[in-house]
Amino acid sequence: AQTVTQSQPEMSVQEAETVTLSCTYDTSENNYYLFWYKQPPSRQMILVIRQEAYKQQNATENRFSVNFQKAAKSFSLKISDSQLGDTAMYFCAFMKQWSNTGKLIFGQGTTLQVKP
Amino acid sequence: DTGVSQDPRHKITKRGQNVTFRCDPISEHNRLYWYRQTLGQGPEFLTYFQNEAQLEKSRLLSDRFSAERPKGSFSTLEIQRTEQGDSAMYLCASRLTRQGTHEQYFGPGTRLTVT
Repeated sequence: AQTVTQSQPEMSVQEAETVTLSCTYDTSENNYYLFWYKQPPSRQMILVIRQEAYKQQNATENRFSVNFQKAAKSFSLKISDSQLGDTAMYFCAFMKQWSNTGKLIFGQGTTLQVKP
Repeated sequence: DTGVSQDPRHKITKRGQNVTFRCDPISEHNRLYWYRQTLGQGPEFLTYFQNEAQLEKSRLLSDRFSAERPKGSFSTLEIQRTEQGDSAMYLCASRLTRQGTHEQYFGPGTRLTVT
């Protein structure tokens, strides 16, 4: 069975600074996808960034980038130039590539507070 | 707004009552998922539909839970004889299974409180 662990329940960062959220996972699969989802207070969860395990290059989306270390089973999210709108709960999630269900397995989440 | 809607947004019920939640996915999405999220935790998979067929149910989904997706459109999740342990946020997500697409689009959730 796959597990996803986020060891930082809460983090804070000053506006315009950079913050890194950690995620580790455990799986015996070789092909899979990893995701970071953002859940703002009282709002819908949205996808921030996705990484395919077969790709060595780390994914980037504007101010968001990941550090994917497959051997270490680590998948951290870096947010550059933090903005007040980045305040949210962030979830790391895993999905097997050849999965009939396509279900997501989530970590416990990290609450990020961006301070002005 | 992701395009996925859920109703109601909040539900308070007394233990032993039945409740039903509705999810309206993005119209062309063939997959629909239900997750449960308790306070301070990440969402946990409950069940999913491929069009109108319910193809997998988690062990978390006891016999008191039933889900339907008639005609492959909206879905309902019913909980019978609610218990305090059912208090949680119930999230719905939809997805289009097409090569290269893996994103699930989430609704705002229904927060259930069982008193």
